[in-house]
Amino acid sequence: DGGITQSPKYLFRKEGQNVTLSCEQNLNHDAMYWYRQDPGQGLRLIYYSQIVNDFQKGDIAEGYSVSREKKESFPLTVTSAQKNPTAFYLCASSTFGIMNTEAFFGQGTRLTVV
Amino acid sequence: AQKITQTQPGMFVQEKEAVTLDCTYDTSDPSYGLFWYKQPSSGEMIFLIYQGSYDQQNATEGRYSLNFQKARKSANLVISASQLGDSAMYFCAMREGEIQGAQKLVFGQGTRLTINP
Repeated sequence: DGGITQSPKYLFRKEGQNVTLSCEQNLNHDAMYWYRQDPGQGLRLIYYSQIVNDFQKGDIAEGYSVSREKKESFPLTVTSAQKNPTAFYLCASSTFGIMNTEAFFGQGTRLTVV
Repeated sequence: AQKITQTQPGMFVQEKEAVTLDCTYDTSDPSYGLFWYKQPSSGEMIFLIYQGSYDQQNATEGRYSLNFQKARKSANLVISASQLGDSAMYFCAMREGEIQGAQKLVFGQGTRLTINP
């Protein structure tokens, strides 16, 4: 089945540590995205990528980093510079260049700083 | 300024009734798209329906329809014959800008819908 796989589902991090969230898609989509969701809030865009080896900052990129070495993979690193990393993180992908195509989302990773 | 506004934090509806979830948006771009997503308690985002700014007719997908009033900048989601499984968070989202490009979505804060038996 085609889809987006995020791992792990739950992640606990000590303050001051970097942590990497995995996102893999087998939909052959060009574009991939990372969103952050805080309790009771909508999603906010962290980073997105339209092509391998290229990515752009979203609205809340500070304290995060990404890479896009393969079309299928778009890992997100939450660095120690991110002041409030506890949140629900959603990865998405979409076909590039078509207005009415929806973004497909993974099941999310819930990150908790302990 | 908030680009997507969902003014109903929570809605309670009896099973089998119709429900309307409100969404207003703000953009100066003539080309945009509006999306509705459902988020059950498990967390994944499920696409429901899409409306393009140039679409002449309101979008429909099964029990979902979109009441698109362009002049008022509103894109309300209507769910007919609600079911218990419709209980979830619902998000309105907008994509602005060029047609050739990534789906950078701006989301509203969501409405939590609860269907009562």
